[in-house]
Amino acid sequence: AQTVTQSQPEMSVQEAETVTLSCTYDTSESDYYLFWYKQPPSRQMILVIRQEAYKQQNATENRFSVNFQKAAKSFSLKISDSQLGDAAMYFCAYRSAEPPGQGAQKLVFGQGTRLTINP
Amino acid sequence: SQTIHQWPATLVQPVGSPLSLECTVEGTSNPNLYWYRQAAGRGLQLLFYSVGIGQISSEVPQNLSASRPQDRQFILSSKKLLLSDSGFYLCAWSSRGMKVGGTEAFFGQGTRLTVV
Repeated sequence: AQTVTQSQPEMSVQEAETVTLSCTYDTSESDYYLFWYKQPPSRQMILVIRQEAYKQQNATENRFSVNFQKAAKSFSLKISDSQLGDAAMYFCAYRSAEPPGQGAQKLVFGQGTRLTINP
Repeated sequence: SQTIHQWPATLVQPVGSPLSLECTVEGTSNPNLYWYRQAAGRGLQLLFYSVGIGQISSEVPQNLSASRPQDRQFILSSKKLLLSDSGFYLCAWSSRGMKVGGTEAFFGQGTRLTVV
């Protein structure tokens, strides 16, 4: 079974600085999707960034970028120029890209990292 | 465009009472559907997921059950609530795409359940 681990329960960063959130996962599959979600105090889940495992190029969305290391099964999120609005819980998630079947469409989340932005 | 509706937003129920939380999706067909529970300040625990009508996979043995009576409707139920069932419940959907079109999950607004 696939598992996702976020080893940093809490992180803090000064406004305008850069912070990196860690995520590792365990899978025997070769093709899958990885996601970072943000959950602000409103508790609405918001997609931050997505990575397809078959793509070697790291995904980037404005100030958010990932460092995807497939062999190491690592998927970290870098937030540049941190802003007060970035304060939230951040979740790493995994989903198989295999055809629909037993467990193939399951979406598994890590335990989350609470990010605090210091003004 | 696709939308997901989850209700109610807040619910306070006595121990031993039944539960029914409903989630519906609009603007797509044949979605994957998911129920998650989130304890305060914690991660998302996958409870159930469904790849089609009547097809339910349970991740964690517990006091809850799920049903999918229609393609875009997903219901979370309990016959008798326990105090430990309190939490924040999230419904989500994703497409059944594979390499092309496989997408992220889209979440409802969540239900805060308090069992007293």
